[in-house]
Amino acid sequence: EPEVTQTPSHQVTQMGQEVILRCVPISNHLYFYWYRQILGQKVEFLVSFYNNEISEKSEIFDDQFSVERPDGSNFTLKIRSTKLEDSAMYFCASSPDSNYGYTFGSGTRLTVV
Amino acid sequence: AQSVTQLGSHVSVSEGALVLLRCNYSSSVPPYLFWYVQYPNQGLQLLLKYTSAATLVKGINGFEAEFKKSETSFHLTKPSAHMSDAAEYFCAVSGASGSRLTFGEGTQLTVNP
Repeated sequence: EPEVTQTPSHQVTQMGQEVILRCVPISNHLYFYWYRQILGQKVEFLVSFYNNEISEKSEIFDDQFSVERPDGSNFTLKIRSTKLEDSAMYFCASSPDSNYGYTFGSGTRLTVV
Repeated sequence: AQSVTQLGSHVSVSEGALVLLRCNYSSSVPPYLFWYVQYPNQGLQLLLKYTSAATLVKGINGFEAEFKKSETSFHLTKPSAHMSDAAEYFCAVSGASGSRLTFGEGTQLTVNP
């Protein structure tokens, strides 16, 4: 069964450093998403991406965050200057069309120290 | 705006007993509703979804959910719990196809032998 692949599974970074989280969506999917889950809290929407542009973003997704689909297969989330409160599990998801449930990846646990 | 309330952060059942996980939603537009399951150290797996077709939705692993507009509910049930059902379950709502998912707090299901 096709999967959404996220790398790395766990990343530790120092406060203020840039971090890039990588995702390989399912190959024929057209809609891409990032969500995060701070430990003990709800899963929260960050951003959706379609047709090479952001289609929707949440209040969390400020100027420190950016997304990119650099080569037609990868979908990345960049955090420019990490803060302690960015520590969370980040989930990538993709969908073949707008009427289908997403397929989520296994997540990247980001720890900012 | 959409929101989801899951009643009961922890539910414990005996193996073979009925599983009932409660979800109530709020939406200003006809909702799309989802149930996801998360096993330890894994991503979010789609169990089932409601997208304005049949109100009784059957999903994977013997789970089903019924959309009740009058009660603004989308409770998840399974007639007979199995040990492998132990996981965290998330209800989510979307206000339009392809748009952001808003998740509930999650319900941790424990299955006792």
